[in-house]
Amino acid sequence: LAKTTQPISMDSYEGQEVNITCSHNNIATNDYITWYQQFPSQGPRFIIQGYKTKVTNEVASLFIPADRKSSTLSLPRVSLSDTAVYYCLVGDIQGGKLIFGQGTELSVKP
Amino acid sequence: DSGVTQTPKHLITATGQRVTLRCSPRSGDLSVYWYQQSLDQGLQFLIQYYNGEERAKGNILERFSAQQFPDLHSELNLSSLELGDSALYFCASEGPRATNYGYTFGSGTRLTVV
Repeated sequence: LAKTTQPISMDSYEGQEVNITCSHNNIATNDYITWYQQFPSQGPRFIIQGYKTKVTNEVASLFIPADRKSSTLSLPRVSLSDTAVYYCLVGDIQGGKLIFGQGTELSVKP
Repeated sequence: DSGVTQTPKHLITATGQRVTLRCSPRSGDLSVYWYQQSLDQGLQFLIQYYNGEERAKGNILERFSAQQFPDLHSELNLSSLELGDSALYFCASEGPRATNYGYTFGSGTRLTVV
């Protein structure tokens, strides 16, 4: 399984765009990139998933360069309620067993 | 409500005891995953079941065991409990292939061993 590296913490202010980058140098051909959000004492929540280029949904955008060795989660105009831990995971969509790293603790300030 | 139901929400028990945590996956989901989250270890994958059969094992202790029943609900059994087993235990289920919404997690069971 490809190991991921992401910043331990980030600070932002309400209304700003936040970009969290994840490195996954050993990503395999079959691996997808998935991001989860977790609030304290709650289960992780799926945010977005992609394989290459760019994916956008109502919550976030995911940018994946051509070499797929990194990915960037973009949260537009964050609010206080976006304060959470964000996990980047890499795995085979057919293989299950996603392994969580330490995540990025995002703190949004007023 | 994520559709994944975990019971009980909270559990307090003494060292040496045995507890059972229950998980009902989303309707139609065949896979169930168990994760343990403690303050110093983060989210640790324990075990996966698919349609009643064990599919993958992670860092699950021998004192822990799990099973998935014909109705697809799963139980995680923790025995000879130690203080260090205090943690949040999450269950997640996964939908059929060709979808990409990832896992759906339950709200967890908080286990406190005293």
